[in-house]
Amino acid sequence: QKEVEQDPGPLSVPEGAIVSLNCTYSNSAFQYFMWYRQYSRKGPELLMYTYSSGNKEDGRFTAQVDKSSKYISLFIRDSQPSDSATYLCAMSAKSNTDKLIFGTGTRLQVFP
Amino acid sequence: EPEVTQTPSHQVTQMGQEVILRCVPISNHLYFYWYRQILGQKVEFLVSFYNNEISEKSEIFDDQFSVERPDGSNFTLKIRSTKLEDSAMYFCASSRGQGRNEQFFGPGTRLTVL
Repeated sequence: QKEVEQDPGPLSVPEGAIVSLNCTYSNSAFQYFMWYRQYSRKGPELLMYTYSSGNKEDGRFTAQVDKSSKYISLFIRDSQPSDSATYLCAMSAKSNTDKLIFGTGTRLQVFP
Repeated sequence: EPEVTQTPSHQVTQMGQEVILRCVPISNHLYFYWYRQILGQKVEFLVSFYNNEISEKSEIFDDQFSVERPDGSNFTLKIRSTKLEDSAMYFCASSRGQGRNEQFFGPGTRLTVL
């Protein structure tokens, strides 16, 4: 079983739709969960950072963590064509120095 | 807003040659990382660096790889003798530490080994 699993997509939605992106993981030691956005041939851009279980909201983005199910989600409300990118989940076990383990990324396309 | 910068953006080299990839982390950050992403694959951890020494390295980071912080601002990744399979995007990242592990990534260096 892979440490972090993520559906590669592509996921194609109309502008204005609510998008749901998900990752599952197998390592119960993970405590820190991040979502990054990556445009083609660019560096990952940090969108959301959460610790342990719960929800976090930032503008149109909401991150959810369910540690009991080893499942994390990113919701994008009122999606825009500029949201078209690959979304990477990443997680780590410790707060300092710990390496990030990434999912493969989900490619999202928002069409006008 | 401060950001991580990397040079060059693209490096082409012949197999067996040495390359040095350069990064300038965010100025008040204490932890530095290198990751790589082979085309079409996931981002993979290579090495982390703190207080002028390696904190952790992956299996990928073998004797052909080394890292250095030669001065107060630069952080470099050296590959001594490049192989075809080293072709990838290499990302530098930094984090503040002190209980926060948000890692901020640079734009990457695309390494092509011929």
